[in-house]
Amino acid sequence: DIQMTQSPSSLSASVGDRVTITCRASQSISTYLHWYQQKPGKAPKLLIYAASSLQSGVPSRFSGSGSGTDFTLTISSLQPEDFATYYCQQTSTTPRTFGQGTNVEIK
Amino acid sequence: QITLKESGPTLVKPTQTLTLTCTFSGFSLSTNGVGVGWIRQPPGKALEWLAVIYWDDDKRYSPSLKSRLTITKDTSKNQVVLTMTNMDPVDTATFYCAHSSLLGVKGAFDIWGQGTMVTVSS
Repeated sequence: DIQMTQSPSSLSASVGDRVTITCRASQSISTYLHWYQQKPGKAPKLLIYAASSLQSGVPSRFSGSGSGTDFTLTISSLQPEDFATYYCQQTSTTPRTFGQGTNVEIK
Repeated sequence: QITLKESGPTLVKPTQTLTLTCTFSGFSLSTNGVGVGWIRQPPGKALEWLAVIYWDDDKRYSPSLKSRLTITKDTSKNQVVLTMTNMDPVDTATFYCAHSSLLGVKGAFDIWGQGTMVTVSS
């Protein structure tokens, strides 16, 4: 199985901050990497697919980059509605593993 | 507009078999590249990918759960069914079904159901 490791596991940030979350795959997954946002009690929402493509309707302050084994999700200016848990997922091979999540909290 | 909704029991006893149904609209599971997957999330924990079925009836399972899982589709009813045998209290989780496309979003889950909470307890 490909292991997906996110860092940090949690972070505290203020509104307006630039936030970066990283996801590392245990082997190369090309750009088969996606990012989701989940708020408490809600289903996850797709933010970025194929490492860097912004899903329709997602604000442009979200961006993704990377290929191979190292990926990043960046929020350019954190907004109050962005406080949530973020997950990466690879779909290069089965099982289509998720990372352990990064909880973004209010500072 | 694509929507998905999970249905099934909220409570199952240990050793029983869980059967969950995902009823969807706004797409066809006979369209090239389309799939429906299942993901679970124990309370307070991370997402866990379980299985996916594609338009061509290709089925993929989590290796750690493969012996307990079966995923099937009924294209005429717009439904996907997941069964999980030999349920245990550690299987208590919210179960989600989600739409996927191999062609559009490289297999990501772009639309999710609301989820259904399943508790395993005697």
